[in-house]
Amino acid sequence: DAGITQSPRHKVTETGTPVTLRCHQTENHRYMYWYRQDPGHGLRLIHYSYGVKDTDKGEVSDGYSVSRSKTEDFLLTLESATSSQTSVYFCAMLAGSYGYTFGSGTRLTVV
Amino acid sequence: AQKVTQAQTEISVVEKEDVTLDCVYETRDTTYYLFWYKQPPSGELVFLIRRNSFDEQNEISGRYSWNFQKSTSSFNFTITASQVVDSAVYFCASKTDSWGKLQFGAGTQVVVTP
Repeated sequence: DAGITQSPRHKVTETGTPVTLRCHQTENHRYMYWYRQDPGHGLRLIHYSYGVKDTDKGEVSDGYSVSRSKTEDFLLTLESATSSQTSVYFCAMLAGSYGYTFGSGTRLTVV
Repeated sequence: AQKVTQAQTEISVVEKEDVTLDCVYETRDTTYYLFWYKQPPSGELVFLIRRNSFDEQNEISGRYSWNFQKSTSSFNFTITASQVVDSAVYFCASKTDSWGKLQFGAGTQVVVTP
């Protein structure tokens, strides 16, 4: 059990529709992150959280919002999906001594 | 601001050849951490190594070795006697702030052919 799961694993959505991706952890860790992966860019930070209801923007936060109402859940929302948000999204959590655990990723396609 | 550069987009080798992946980082912090991750074709991110800025010792783990040189801000990764299973994208990353945010390089695709 990896301790962190993402859902859904794959999603196809239409331009202009809202989309929510879920990251769920069972480890009770404080810090969680959302990254997007695109060719030529590696992984880029979208938003991160340092506790319940404590979140902040990352490098590429435009068009995204997050919420963390419980320690175990970190939600990423695309309010109105655009084709430029087609990407692979990874959630991560930070365990002690800077050990990161990543989810398996969500492949999102906006058509 | 921190930055991680992986100048090699793709490296192709024949099995049993050695391959070295370059990573150059930029930071003004004196305390930082450097990482390497592997992303096989299945897509998950696999942790390979973490090194803090105070530990400049090179490290060897099986066929993998890492060369950390603060003087050149480099943290290079070598795979010795490559195998087909080493085919993957490899990411170098750094962490400098207290929020644990990682800065990734663009990644290097390694293709090992039999």
